[in-house]
Amino acid sequence: GEDVEQSLFLSVREGDSSVINCTYTDSSSTYLYWYKQEPGAGLQLLTYIFSNMDMKQDQRLTVLLNKKDKHLSLRIADTQTGDSAIYFCAETSNTGRRALTFGSGTRLQVQP
Amino acid sequence: GAGVSQSPSNKVTEKGKDVELRCDPISGHTALYWYRQSLGQGLEFLIYFQGNSAPDKSGLPSDRFSAERTGGSVSTLTIQRTQQEDSAVYLCASSFSVLGVANTEAFFGQGTRLTVV
Repeated sequence: GEDVEQSLFLSVREGDSSVINCTYTDSSSTYLYWYKQEPGAGLQLLTYIFSNMDMKQDQRLTVLLNKKDKHLSLRIADTQTGDSAIYFCAETSNTGRRALTFGSGTRLQVQP
Repeated sequence: GAGVSQSPSNKVTEKGKDVELRCDPISGHTALYWYRQSLGQGLEFLIYFQGNSAPDKSGLPSDRFSAERTGGSVSTLTIQRTQQEDSAVYLCASSFSVLGVANTEAFFGQGTRLTVV
């Protein structure tokens, strides 16, 4: 079945860039997503990328997709303390299970 | 409604009791999803509905878990004879249509935190 993996923890200093990485196994993945979860809050969709794209930029967020290596990354420029949260990578395809498959999440800690 | 609503927000139950968790999706959303998030873990897929039908129930952990959706709207997740390992946050999401198509986003509720003692 599908599998999505992420590193568990990342610590950066305020103002630096953060890069969160994700790998997936489903070659039929159509869309790949990044969600943010803050303590006590629900999941918030940050951005997503279609599988025929290799980059998408949205303000401070840049998503890079290497479809050949099945590798997805999220870069947050000028990281702020308010960016401290858990970031989940997820994927879905337009065949088979039409639901999100999530990674285990990366906890981002931003040091002031 | 304005967003996905789940109730109760917190539930404490004794081991062996049955519990029902409710999800009210965004009005007009045809797809509905249930996930489970155990402490410090990612989101585990349980089941999804397209209308009132459940094309994929493969994520339900055991036959103690069941879910239904009526009228293409409200869904109930039922856990019978609860066990301590069922303790988790149960998240519901809905989307306008099934995922994997352009411009379709899943919106998540705040979750129900279930504690089995």
